[in-house]
Amino acid sequence: QLRLQESGPGLVKPSKTLSLTCSVSGGSILSNGYYWGWVRQPPGKGLEWIGNIYYFGSTNYNPSLKSRVSISVDALKKVFSLNLTSVTAADTAVYYCTKSRRDGSLDSWGPGTLVIASS
Amino acid sequence: DIVMTQSPDSLAVSLGERASINCKSSQSILYGSNNMNYLAWYQQKPGQPPKLLIYWAFTRESGVPDRFSGSGSGTDFTLTISSLQTEDVAVYYCQQYYSSPLTFGGGTKVEIK
Repeated sequence: QLRLQESGPGLVKPSKTLSLTCSVSGGSILSNGYYWGWVRQPPGKGLEWIGNIYYFGSTNYNPSLKSRVSISVDALKKVFSLNLTSVTAADTAVYYCTKSRRDGSLDSWGPGTLVIASS
Repeated sequence: DIVMTQSPDSLAVSLGERASINCKSSQSILYGSNNMNYLAWYQQKPGQPPKLLIYWAFTRESGVPDRFSGSGSGTDFTLTISSLQTEDVAVYYCQQYYSSPLTFGGGTKVEIK
């Protein structure tokens, strides 16, 4: 069964870059038709889609974050990554890595990792 | 962006009774070429990631109890729990995947009365 696991610093200073990695196990990151992405959830609030990447590298980003976000994939290492630049307190959230089917529904989620943007 | 609006924000239902959650999209998410509604429902329990319950507006994900059902088309959708169980206490979100960016409703908290 496919499993996703986020990893990365839990604390990031304002104006710095948030970097997270998602490890994929129990399945292939090269599977046709799957997108690998990120969703975040500020404490006590709702869900915000950040973006996704197809295994060969095409990306889609939320325009609200597009100027600051990049998602990449390393198929050999079976990981994909999120970089979010120039963070502020508003970027404090639980970050989930996700897998979506071609239709767009998010059928696998990592357990999530809390990232706090604070000095 | 397509705005997803859920109602109510919260509801309390007695065990064994029906719970209904509404979701409205700011534009139609029915794709004409395949007649499919690009809508999913998720369940999120405290401290856990969301779990996919329903996609294509009414198709249950594998393993989801049949007391969960989805209905609606175009811009108006409903998630129904036919007989509420204690393990169904959670926040429920709708999500459209008709167009990018993917967007979620604000969530509906379901509790036991």
